[in-house]
Formats: sequence, C-alpha cells, structure tokens
Amino acid sequence: EVQLVESGGGLVQPGGSLRLSCEASESIFSDFSNYWIHWVRQGPGKGLQWVARIDVDGSVTDYADSVKGRFTISRDNAKNTVHLEMHSLRVEDTGVYYCARARRSCTSCLNYWGQGTLVTVST
Amino acid sequence: DIVMTQSPDFLGVSLGERATLNCKSSHNILNNSNNKNWLAWYQKKPGQPPKLLIYWASTRQSGVPDRFSGSGSGTDFTLTIDSLQAEDVAVYYCQQYYKSPLTFGGGTEVEI
Repeated sequence: EVQLVESGGGLVQPGGSLRLSCEASESIFSDFSNYWIHWVRQGPGKGLQWVARIDVDGSVTDYADSVKGRFTISRDNAKNTVHLEMHSLRVEDTGVYYCARARRSCTSCLNYWGQGTLVTVST
Repeated sequence: DIVMTQSPDFLGVSLGERATLNCKSSHNILNNSNNKNWLAWYQKKPGQPPKLLIYWASTRQSGVPDRFSGSGSGTDFTLTIDSLQAEDVAVYYCQQYYKSPLTFGGGTEVEI
C-alpha cells in the first residue's frame, strides 16, 4: 500500500513562512519519479481547494491563483519527497494540507492521499 | 476559472435507497483529443483524506464498490449511489481537471 506522510504544519503569524514536506514510503514508491504530486487543502468548515501540482521530474509546476507567487512546490525524487514552501502566509491559508499522488494515466486524478498536516495562520 | 456547482448541498437518503448527486461545470470539460470528460468524484469523511471514487466521469477507481457510478458529459454530471449503506455518509466532491486551475465543487453532504 502506498503511504504518503505530510509534515511541517504548525502555527504561524500572518506574513510568516512554513515548509511542508510529503514523503512517500520507499518500499512502495520505488517509482516515485513516475507520478505527478499535488497539494490540496481544506479550510475549517470549508470544501476542498486545489493548491499546486508538480510533474514527474519537477520541470512543470502549476498553482492556484490564490497562492501563486507565494508558494513553491518542488520535489526530490532521490528522497521520495515533495515540498511546499509557503511565504507571506495569510489567515485564509489556514487549513489541513494534503499531498496526493495522481494516477499514472491521469495526472490530476488523485488516488493516494496522505493524512494531512494542519497549518494555522493566526496572531 | 471553471466553476463547478454541486446540488443539492444536503441529501437525506434512507438506507438501501438510491442517492443522486449532481455536478455542473461552467465550461465543457469533454476533451475531444481523447473523447473523455475530465471529471472526478471524491468521497470525504471527517478526519480522513479524500478518496477517489470515479475518474474520467464514469471510470470507477479500483476497490470502489460497484454501487457507486458516474455519468454525464460536457457540462452536466451525476454520481449515483445505489442502495445507500451507512458507511456512505460523507461529503462528495466533483473536480474538473480539464483546465488549470483544477477546481472542486462545493460538495454534497449525504446523510441517512
């Protein structure tokens, strides 16, 4: 079974920064570099919101308009890890952040998800 | 951005009955290059990550019970849950991946 584990969440003041990580279980993810990875968030009491995605080798990245210029997604295939660097955080960035792996044949169909990491932006 | 509108917001269904959830896209999401609708359905339970149920509008993800089915094309889509089970209580989201940014609908909460 594929496992994804997010880390790096926490409490930060508005304007601050956080770096989230998403690590895939090595035993299963021997072909980690073959899959697109996405970040999706859910604010308190809200629905799902797509945040960012990265292609298999990191050459293509894409962001929601609300985070463009503030967030950066990257990956280290040697370490089976994807990162989400978040800067200039706003109160509305608060929520649970999930990383998700896409199907190989459908690069935005998210069939494996981590349990999420909570980001709280507050004074 | 493509806006996904789900209806109803809340749906009460008796055990064993059928649930019909609707999703409407503001843009045609049928891709002529592969003749597929770029739409997925997810199930979300509290405290759990989302679970992919359906992709390409009607392809069931491996391991998903066959009481879940997806249909529709172009701008109008439906997720049907036949013979609702207690474990199906959740919020269901549609998502388009035809065009960036990927967008989700607001969700339909299914309750018994």
